[in-house]
Amino acid sequence: EAGVAQSPRYKIIEKRQSVAFWCNPISGHATLYWYQQILGQGPKLLIQFQNNGVVDDSQLPKDRFSAERLKGVDSTLKIQPAKLEDSAVYLCASRKDRLAGAYEQYFGPGTRLTVT
Amino acid sequence: SQQGEEDPQALSIQEGENATMNCSYKTSINNLQWYRQNSGRGLVHLILIRSNEREKHSGRLRVTLDTSKKSSSLLITASRAADTASYFCATFNFGNEKLTFGTGTRLTIIP
Repeated sequence: EAGVAQSPRYKIIEKRQSVAFWCNPISGHATLYWYQQILGQGPKLLIQFQNNGVVDDSQLPKDRFSAERLKGVDSTLKIQPAKLEDSAVYLCASRKDRLAGAYEQYFGPGTRLTVT
Repeated sequence: SQQGEEDPQALSIQEGENATMNCSYKTSINNLQWYRQNSGRGLVHLILIRSNEREKHSGRLRVTLDTSKKSSSLLITASRAADTASYFCATFNFGNEKLTFGTGTRLTIIP
C-alpha cells in the first residue's frame, strides 16, 4: 500500500510570511496527526484528527497555526505569520481506526521548514 | 511536552556488537512503542509492547517493559551499519489516544 505523502519536502521562507503543508494519509486510516520536530528533539504533537473532526489541538499555537482535514482524507497545516522558532520538520502521520486495535502510526517523509 | 527520556542520548558501537537503549516515562500507559528515524526512511515503527507484557522480540530487536519502574529498554543484537539512526520511545494513552515521544537516542554503528 502507498505510504503517507507530504509536500513540499523543503520550504524556505522569511519570517512573517505564510506557508502551507499538505498531507495525504494512507487510504482508510481514520486518524491523522501533525507533529513538529525541532532539530535534536522528538516529535511533538500539534493536532490530531479523527476522520474530519479535531480530537486534540491543545498544543497547536492557534494564533498562527491552523489545520483542517477536508472530507476526512487530505489535510493541510498552515502557519501565518511564521516566526524564526517555527523552523522544524513537520511530520504527518496516520493510523487505522481505533476499533481495529491498531496503535502504530505511519509517518510521511516530512517537510523541512526554514524560516529566515 | 516530552513524556519519555531516552538514555543514553548518543551511542557509538562497533558493527556486530549489541546496542541497548533505555527509556523512562512519567505517567501510566497502555502501550509503549519504539520508532527509528534516519534520513533515508523517515520515522518508522519498530515494535510495540503492551502494558501487561514484560518482554517482546522481533527479529534482532528485544524490548522489555517494567511498568513499576516506568521504564523500557530496546536491545538491538548483532548491529549493522544500516542500524545507524535515531531511536525514539513513545508512550500511548487510551484516554486521549496520543502518542508522546521521548527525546531519542542517536545510535552510530562503526563499520
